[in-house]
Amino acid sequence: DIVLTQSPALAVSLGQRATISCRASQSVSTSSYNLMHWYQQKPGEQPKLLIYDASNLASGIPVRFSGSGSGTDFTLTINPVQADDIATYYCQQSRELPLTFGSGTKLEIK
Amino acid sequence: EVQLVESGGGLVQPGASLKLSCVASGFTFSDYWMSWVRQTPGKTMEWIGDIKYDGSYTNYAPSLKNRFTISRDNAKSTLYLQMSNVRSEDTATYYCPALRSMDYFDYWGQGVMVTVSS
Repeated sequence: DIVLTQSPALAVSLGQRATISCRASQSVSTSSYNLMHWYQQKPGEQPKLLIYDASNLASGIPVRFSGSGSGTDFTLTINPVQADDIATYYCQQSRELPLTFGSGTKLEIK
Repeated sequence: EVQLVESGGGLVQPGASLKLSCVASGFTFSDYWMSWVRQTPGKTMEWIGDIKYDGSYTNYAPSLKNRFTISRDNAKSTLYLQMSNVRSEDTATYYCPALRSMDYFDYWGQGVMVTVSS
């Protein structure tokens, strides 16, 4: 299985940039696609798709969210961070089955 | 508005069986692969498996394929998860997200809790 590693938590000041990383145990990229996706989950809610294929913004997601990366290293950036962004962020790969998720990074406000 | 509504959860004894349902609305259910994903109390997310839009093909997490079965009824826009011989480690919130391009989970429901305990 492809293991996705995320830092448990990140503390950022409001209005600053948050950079959340996800490292895969093997490449999740093909010649055409970077098969890494990002979700936001607020307390008591279901996950919500933010970014698909590493860098594509899902419908209705604010442009302060962006994604980048290829191969084994991927980043979700939130700039600027707003109070509403307090949540846990998960990465997920679809390069091979079983589909796997990272353990999540909890975004906290300094 | 897209809605996915999971049901059928609750408290169940170890070794028992349980069938979860997920009713979809607001999108063309029969056009989508559908999945089951669970989240443990410790917040670990685990993909259980998925089913092709016409129900003709399924994929499962290897650790679960002998106990869990996914099916669907497109006429009722409903997805099912049959769980057998449940264990304490199956305690989780179960979600039925729609799978876009067999890659990422586009729509999510609120989830349904399953607690396995004697």
